[in-house]
Amino acid sequence: KQEVTQIPAALSVPEGENLVLNCSFTDSAIYNLQWFRQDPGKGLTSLLLIQSSQREQTSGRLNASLDKSSGRSTLYIAASQPGDSATYLCAVSFSGGYNKLIFGAGTRLAVHP
Amino acid sequence: NAGVTQTPKFRVLKTGQSMTLLCAQDMNHEYMYWYRQDPGMGLRLIHYSVGEGTTAKGEVPDGYNVSRLKKQNFLLGLESAAPSQTSVYFCASESFGGAGTGELFFGEGSRLTVL
Repeated sequence: KQEVTQIPAALSVPEGENLVLNCSFTDSAIYNLQWFRQDPGKGLTSLLLIQSSQREQTSGRLNASLDKSSGRSTLYIAASQPGDSATYLCAVSFSGGYNKLIFGAGTRLAVHP
Repeated sequence: NAGVTQTPKFRVLKTGQSMTLLCAQDMNHEYMYWYRQDPGMGLRLIHYSVGEGTTAKGEVPDGYNVSRLKKQNFLLGLESAAPSQTSVYFCASESFGGAGTGELFFGEGSRLTVL
């Protein structure tokens, strides 16, 4: 069964810390992997999209890496700020069809001043 | 620049009632999806559409129906609501490639409570 797991489920850090969120998946045959941010009561906002042929993507203070062989992705957030507080979801598009986009349950991040 | 718009944002139903959720996108995307989000379970795909006039079942389709009469609109219907359908529903559309190869754009969600 294709699964996506995110660890930890929740994380609390002081402002200014660099942090890493983890995503693991069970099948290396993927199209792409996306990281999303979700604020309470809101929809999902795409942060980074990594195609299967890529190793990493960067946007501002965010860097996402992809290692298909080990079934892992990490989202690195540099110099965290209270405004980064949100739930971060990883979604993996597995090869094999339209209904193969599987979401992890998310990591709830709190950055305190 | 609206993106993906969902209506209504909130709804309370009694068991057995019916309703329709509307999703509209203005990005000319072919692919559209309906998900439900439940605590601790991530998002699960209900139905999807690969273009006007086409729909297909996702992971959890039972109790729902969909229609895509116009490219920009994707409707999700509940024929006879059940408490198990209490959830937050998200619509998404997909840029370029489709079939899970592109970037997803989400609406802000519709929170449904079935009593």
